Amino acid sequence: EVQLVQSGAEVKKPGESLMISCKGSGYSFINYRIAWVRQMPGKGLEWMGIIYPGDSDTRYSPSFQGQVTISVDKPINTAYLQWNSLKASDTAMYYCARRSSFGYHFDYWGQGTLVTVSS
Amino acid sequence: EIVLTQSPGTLSLSPGERATLSCRASQSVSSNYLAWYQQKPGQAPRLLIYGASSRATGIPDRFSGSGSGTDFTLTISRLEPEDFAVYYCQQYGSSPPCTFGQGTKLEI
Repeated sequence: EVQLVQSGAEVKKPGESLMISCKGSGYSFINYRIAWVRQMPGKGLEWMGIIYPGDSDTRYSPSFQGQVTISVDKPINTAYLQWNSLKASDTAMYYCARRSSFGYHFDYWGQGTLVTVSS
Repeated sequence: EIVLTQSPGTLSLSPGERATLSCRASQSVSSNYLAWYQQKPGQAPRLLIYGASSRATGIPDRFSGSGSGTDFTLTISRLEPEDFAVYYCQQYGSSPPCTFGQGTKLEI
């Protein structure tokens, strides 16, 4: 069974750093791209970026370029989303999602990680 | 950037009725790159339709997708109580590679 399991909710202060994770199982992790998607409270879905675990090739949405870093650790089948200096406006639910091997849609999603940034 | 505009913003219907949701793109989108998702409160999105008209695994046949170019439609033929949710279209193409519509809320 394909699963993407994300790390737990985080509460941080502005200016702090954070890394959240997404662990894949039940499939060949290195062969499927993993995307990160933001959902601010009461709002829609925003695509942040995507990484190919096979060679760590990464692309970012212009809206998120320079604001976050996406990475992978292949031996442990885990993708990461990292911030160096959080802002209150980073408060949101963050989802990882697997891009299908035969198309450009996202066929499996993690359960989401809620990040709250507040002083 | 390709902008996807979904309409209506909110659709109020009753179980058993037919729902028609629209997704309009600011530029032509390859049908291969258009997908629809359903999101219920407190849950992650779920893939419904990919390639504009192919149902994902396990999706009931009351859900169907159609369209090409800049106009795409998600149709739910006979609404069940569990279908009331928010629906998003998504395209994958040029930079940025991926965008979502703003969503249509389907309410009772």
